[in-house]
Amino acid sequence: GESVGLHLPTLSVQEGDNSIINCAYSNSASDYFIWYKQESGKGPQFIIDIRSNMDKRQGQRVTVLLNKTVKHLSLQIAATQPGDSAVYFCAENQGDDKIIFGKGTRLHILP
Amino acid sequence: DAGVTQSPTHLIKTRGQQVTLRCSPKSGHDTVSWYQQALGQGPQFIFQYYEEEERQRGNFPDRFSGHQFPNYSSELNVNALLLGDSALYLCASSLRSLGGYGYTFGSGTRLTVV
Repeated sequence: GESVGLHLPTLSVQEGDNSIINCAYSNSASDYFIWYKQESGKGPQFIIDIRSNMDKRQGQRVTVLLNKTVKHLSLQIAATQPGDSAVYFCAENQGDDKIIFGKGTRLHILP
Repeated sequence: DAGVTQSPTHLIKTRGQQVTLRCSPKSGHDTVSWYQQALGQGPQFIFQYYEEEERQRGNFPDRFSGHQFPNYSSELNVNALLLGDSALYLCASSLRSLGGYGYTFGSGTRLTVV
């Protein structure tokens, strides 16, 4: 069955504000998580990843936080822009490049 | 640098027919994975090919089969199409030795079964 899932199917954020997208997972042995962005008509695009030996990882305008105690991870997008409109998936690499996706959160940017 | 390319981009088939989708991996990659993405859902893992053999398989019936060629390109075949097979089919490639880094998706083939 599905091992990762998102909390909200849709999130609306004012342009310029920070966005936070949450995800829960069920397997405490999971050790490699990835966030993907999928725009309309395109395949998922890698945003950032994190392994279980880390609590936080930062990229350009994005931060992923991993809380192993409650089996929760989040994606934070700073200063959200119109180009950030997309569906965001948290996913788990279960080994040997088998990626298991959650259902996704659609991020709407309000002007 | 060409990424993952899939063909065709769109396809319409009739229930009961068979379909073949094609994928060329990113240059330097040796592993190809296939996913099915129904409307409004996350991609679901179908199977993975490495060294021309199926290495892992998700919860899909035998109607779904594949092949990997010596040049690492791959095909996904679906027999006896059902209306429920309508979806976006995604191919992803990777270099097995990198342990998941650089995993790259194509833009997919939109299959409509009528």
